[in-house]
Amino acid sequence: QKEVEQNSGPLSVPEGAIASLNCTYSDRGSQSFFWYRQYSGKSPELIMFIYSNGDKEDGRFTAQLNKASQYVSLLIRDSQPSDSATYLCAVDRADGLTFGKGTHLIIQP
Amino acid sequence: DAGVIQSPRHEVTEMGQEVTLRCKPISGHDYLFWYRQTMMRGLELLIYFNNNVPIDDSGMPEDRFSAKMPNASFSTLKIQPSEPRDSAVYFCASSFRSGLFNEQFFGPGTRLTVL
Repeated sequence: QKEVEQNSGPLSVPEGAIASLNCTYSDRGSQSFFWYRQYSGKSPELIMFIYSNGDKEDGRFTAQLNKASQYVSLLIRDSQPSDSATYLCAVDRADGLTFGKGTHLIIQP
Repeated sequence: DAGVIQSPRHEVTEMGQEVTLRCKPISGHDYLFWYRQTMMRGLELLIYFNNNVPIDDSGMPEDRFSAKMPNASFSTLKIQPSEPRDSAVYFCASSFRSGLFNEQFFGPGTRLTVL
C-alpha cells in the first residue's frame, strides 16, 4: 500500500528563518519525489522534484532525499510571508503520484 | 499555452442529480489525471489515462463515478447519482512523462457541492 505521511501542521516560522518540511513514504519502489505548493483556494503547483539521494537546491528552496530512510524534506531559506501555503509531498512510482495530505506553513511577519 | 482548463469552476446540485465535470489537458501531454481533494482525505487520485486509454481506475470510489477520454484534448468525469459526500474540489491534471520526470500541471479545479 502506497502511503505518504506529512505533519499537517500548522508550522509557524518567523519571517527570514528557515522552514523545514518533512515527508516519509512507505513504498521502497518509489523513484521520484515532488514538492507542490498550494495556496488556499488554488490548485497545486510544482516547486521542486528530486530523484537522487542527497540535496537539490533551487533558489531559496532545497529538497533533500534519503531513500534508505524513505525520507524527503524541503527547506525554505529566508522565509517570506508569500511562502505561507500548504506544501504537498508527492511520490511517483511510475503509475501515478501519491500525495501526502500536506503541511500548512505560516510565515509570521 | 492556456494550461489545463476545467469547467465548470463551481457546481451546486441536489442529491440524486447527474454531474459532469470537464477537462481540457495541455496540448501534447499524454497523461491525464483526475483527483478529488477534501480536508479529511487530502488529494486522492481517482483515475488516470495514458494516450486516451484508462490505465488505473482503482481510486474511483464506486460505480456512481465514471470517466471518459474520447480524444487527446477532452475528458469528462461523471457522477450519477450524486450524493452529499461527493462534495469536494475535483482537479484535472496533465503531464508528459520523460524518464523519471513527470511534472503534473493542475487545472483550477471544480468545486462541487451536493445538497
